[in-house]
Amino acid sequence: QVQLVESGGGVVQPGKSLILSCGVSGFTFSDSVIHWVRQSPSKGLEWVAVISSDGNNKYYADSLKGRFTISRDNSKNTLYLQVNSLRAEDAAVYYCAREIGVTDAFDIWGQGTMVTVSS
Amino acid sequence: EIVMTQSPATLSVSPGERATLSCRARQTISSSLAWYQQKPGQAPRLLIYGASTRATGIPARFSGSGSGTEFSLTISSLQSEDFAVYYCQQYKNGYTFGQGTKLEIK
Repeated sequence: QVQLVESGGGVVQPGKSLILSCGVSGFTFSDSVIHWVRQSPSKGLEWVAVISSDGNNKYYADSLKGRFTISRDNSKNTLYLQVNSLRAEDAAVYYCAREIGVTDAFDIWGQGTMVTVSS
Repeated sequence: EIVMTQSPATLSVSPGERATLSCRARQTISSSLAWYQQKPGQAPRLLIYGASTRATGIPARFSGSGSGTEFSLTISSLQSEDFAVYYCQQYKNGYTFGQGTKLEIK
């Protein structure tokens, strides 16, 4: 069964850091380009970052550069997103999503993990 | 950043009828457009990519058209399971989503 499963969300204090994980099964993770997308009531769906299949190329939304780090461990079939200096506006459901391959659309999404920023 | 604008914000249609949703890009994106469906508590689901190609397993009642800056998603005969929020996304230059159109039962 093809699936992505996010974890690591929760309630985090402003200014703290958080690492989200995305575990993959059912397809060849090491061949896949994977994205992080977040969704909040205030901003809707917002693309966060993408990482190439080998992990050597990473791109971030301009507005988020500097505080977000995407990485992957192909030996563990797992994607990561580290978020530093959390702000109230980082509160969202964070999804990982696979790029379809023939084009840059996202064909498989995880169920999401919710991040709440609160003191 | 390429801004994507969807209209209308809410569309009320009766089951069995046709629904047409619109999406406009602020600058040309060729055919680098996808449509997603999202139901409450679920992740988005890919419907259409390349502006008009249905994703795997998507029923033929869903069709996409357009290129450049104007796009549309048509659902030919609405089924009960089609009532949801629909998003367009451009991937020509970075990745940006529209604000969504809520398709509700009339």
